[in-house]
Amino acid sequence: EAQVTQNPRYLITVTGKKLTVTCSQNMNHEYMSWYRQDPGLGLRQIYYSMNVEVTDKGDVPEGYKVSRKEKRNFPLILESPSPNQTSLYFCASSLGAGRSYEQYFGPGTRLTVT
Amino acid sequence: EDKVVQSPLSLVVHEGDTVTLNCSYEVTNFRSLLWYKQEKKAPTFLFMLTSSGIEKKSGRLSSILDKKELSSILNITATQTGDSAIYLCAGGSNYKLTFGKGTLLTVNP
Repeated sequence: EAQVTQNPRYLITVTGKKLTVTCSQNMNHEYMSWYRQDPGLGLRQIYYSMNVEVTDKGDVPEGYKVSRKEKRNFPLILESPSPNQTSLYFCASSLGAGRSYEQYFGPGTRLTVT
Repeated sequence: EDKVVQSPLSLVVHEGDTVTLNCSYEVTNFRSLLWYKQEKKAPTFLFMLTSSGIEKKSGRLSSILDKKELSSILNITATQTGDSAIYLCAGGSNYKLTFGKGTLLTVNP
């Protein structure tokens, strides 16, 4: 089954404790992206990756890191989480950029930072 | 900075009504306009509209892209309670999608 998976689905952590949210897709998609969704602010892009070893900042990259060492995986790293990073996070992938923009979303990770 | 604005932000209708959701965009290097439906969790894809495909229809849902007005509408006819969701519009450029804040549609029986 074609899908985007994320782990963990729920996470409660404390300020400053490094964490990684994994994202994996099995559709051989080139483009992957991370979003956060907050009430009243909608979905905002954090980082995106056009292909392996090619990443770039989205609209809200502060406090986050990403890497793309393999085509299927695109982990999101919070080196020192803070309470303002409490949010619902989505990973998404698509065949490519430009016209190929039907993005498939993972199930989401709800992160709470206390 | 790219911008996508949706209206209304929320809407309550009765089953059987027809609704129109609006989306306007200002996206540099615009390539496509996408609509998603979000119920409990992840957004699910509805339509993608580009300069070569400005009108799409699927069952009771249809969407039109107005390239001159930089806007799009999503129509839902004969609404059902299962249509209750947040509807998201997104403008796609060469490298990224910019989402609007969404329209919360509630369909009452």
